[in-house]
Amino acid sequence: GESVGLHLPTLSVQEGDNSIINCAYSNSASDYFIWYKQESGKGPQFIIDIRSNMDKRQGQRVTVLLNKTVKHLSLQIAATQPGDSAVYFCADLTGGGNKLTFGTGTQLKVEL
Amino acid sequence: GAGVSQTPSNKVTEKGKYVELRCDPISGHTALYWYRQSLGQGPEFLIYFQGTGAADDSGLPNDRFFAVRPEGSVSTLKIQRTERGDSAVYLCASSLSGTSYEQYFGPGTRLTVT
Repeated sequence: GESVGLHLPTLSVQEGDNSIINCAYSNSASDYFIWYKQESGKGPQFIIDIRSNMDKRQGQRVTVLLNKTVKHLSLQIAATQPGDSAVYFCADLTGGGNKLTFGTGTQLKVEL
Repeated sequence: GAGVSQTPSNKVTEKGKYVELRCDPISGHTALYWYRQSLGQGPEFLIYFQGTGAADDSGLPNDRFFAVRPEGSVSTLKIQRTERGDSAVYLCASSLSGTSYEQYFGPGTRLTVT
């Protein structure tokens, strides 16, 4: 079936650097995308979302970019901090439905 | 305010036994979701409730899995004749309504079937 996947399983960055986490999706009918952060032993935490009629959305220290031409989504974290260390998932929602389809996740490690 | 809570946090059971996992959604949230997360994987959808009714149960893997939400608040996920392959973290999420896309997740119940 359709899936949402991630390019890199692990990303290591230095504290203070910017992080970019990428995600490819295959369902061209996806109309809503969300990034979640999951720390060890906790449930996923909503970070930021974007609708398919947008190509960029900014939050606090985070920016999500959507390229529908190549079906690519990215999460940019500015000035990465140790507290940003976690697994990041992209997920999509299709056709007004309510079930999220998650990718396998990228482990972000912030080195001091 | 209180978030989504799940009990127990950990459950170890023997193969073939029956288990119940409980989810308390955020007060006032009418939509409730169950997901299952295997090690190193993203959560996989199991079932979605709008109020008391299961609006979408297409993710339940087989008839050993069943969920209820009798009063439109607390939900229980029930697994009969557990198998080792059922071992995973079971996550519950809630949202304000079925048209609200932002789902708030609980900490999950880690189920281990020995």
